[in-house]
Amino acid sequence: DTAVSQTPKYLVTQMGNDKSIKCEQNLGHDTMYWYKQDSKKFLKIMFSYNNKELIINETVPNRFSPKSPDKAHLNLHINSLELGDSAVYFCASGDFTDTQYFGPGTRLTVL
Amino acid sequence: RKEVEQDPGPFNVPEGATVAFNCTYSNSASQSFFWYRQDCRKEPKLLMSVYSSGNEDGRFTAQLNRASQYISLLIRDSKLSDSATYLCVVNTNAGKSTFGDGTTLTVKP
Repeated sequence: DTAVSQTPKYLVTQMGNDKSIKCEQNLGHDTMYWYKQDSKKFLKIMFSYNNKELIINETVPNRFSPKSPDKAHLNLHINSLELGDSAVYFCASGDFTDTQYFGPGTRLTVL
Repeated sequence: RKEVEQDPGPFNVPEGATVAFNCTYSNSASQSFFWYRQDCRKEPKLLMSVYSSGNEDGRFTAQLNRASQYISLLIRDSKLSDSATYLCVVNTNAGKSTFGDGTTLTVKP
């Protein structure tokens, strides 16, 4: 029973393409997040949603557009991919204590 | 100054050693605090929450000092399986979650 799942696990694509990463949680949490972990392993929050509403947008380029069709899903769409977008993207969900549960990550490589 | 700063590490210790990590935060309005553990090529996982009164879970002890704005993690009797990157996390009441850059621990036989 996977609590937070992401697809795909690996994504290799060319510069300029558009791609999406999907995230689903079955924990019943109201809050979901997207994080980016770069090659130096620094983990940075990108977006936070609460009950499908955007709460946090951390100065992410507008090529990145999150979408939350319901509170169990938070997808990330990326337009016009650039080399610097190569990273591991983690989705997480959070409970009322602010504890976060992470998905397994999506390793994006832009060529 | 970074919002959350951790000891840069790496820490290389022998099995059985006691090791301590510190983390400082700049936002005095921060409300909740955590230590996460991340193994290589895996997702971060909650190690423990940190409370003002301090809390202990087996060999792990976490403490929060609000006046000095730092949190700490103490690992006693280190095991090989403790080798990982330890991430300090600080949340504000606005729902923003800031991770430290992590401290790498390697426990050697």
